Amino acid sequence: EPEVTQTPSHQVTQMGQEVILRCVPISNHLYFYWYRQILGQKVEFLVSFYNNEISEKSEIFDDQFSVERPDGSNFTLKIRSTKLEDSAMYFCASSVDRGHNSPLHFGNGTRLTVT
Amino acid sequence: TQLLEQSPQFLSIQEGENLTVYCNSSSVFSSLQWYRQEPGEGPVLLVTVVTGGEVKKLKRLTFQFGDARKDSSLHITAAQPGDTGLYLCAGVKGAQKLVFGQGTRLTINP
Repeated sequence: EPEVTQTPSHQVTQMGQEVILRCVPISNHLYFYWYRQILGQKVEFLVSFYNNEISEKSEIFDDQFSVERPDGSNFTLKIRSTKLEDSAMYFCASSVDRGHNSPLHFGNGTRLTVT
Repeated sequence: TQLLEQSPQFLSIQEGENLTVYCNSSSVFSSLQWYRQEPGEGPVLLVTVVTGGEVKKLKRLTFQFGDARKDSSLHITAAQPGDTGLYLCAGVKGAQKLVFGQGTRLTINP
């Protein structure tokens, strides 16, 4: 069964550095998402992306964050200048369509550690 | 702010027992989803409930959506050690924005 793949599985970076988290969504999916989960806390919505545009973003997704679909297969999340509080699991997800009949498929996440 | 509260947060029971996990909110959702998350993996969708009062069954798991579409429950009959895991509910707002509960960590002891 096709799956969403994320790389790297674990990224360690120093505060103030830029990081790019990579995702390869399922090939026929058109809607892409990033969620994050700080250790011990809820999974939180960051951003949704469709047709090369951000569809919706949360308050967390400030100017330090950006998303891009640089080619036909990758979907990336960039954090421009990481902060300690950016340490979390970052999950990419994709879906064929919008609505409850088109479920999200999540990747296994990238654990980001900011030191 | 839309919040989903799950209870209990932790549950440890013996194999063969029944259990119910609750997911409550003051907000109305267009639909509600239940996920299971294993360590080191992303959430995996178990079921989506859409209509108020809807009941869906997945083998020994029964999911119910409240009449007002604000709350949901997951009932497991005759729990088995393989049911051990983190169960998450998520309300769907608008076009696929998920609002997650904090999860129920379930342990089934042999």
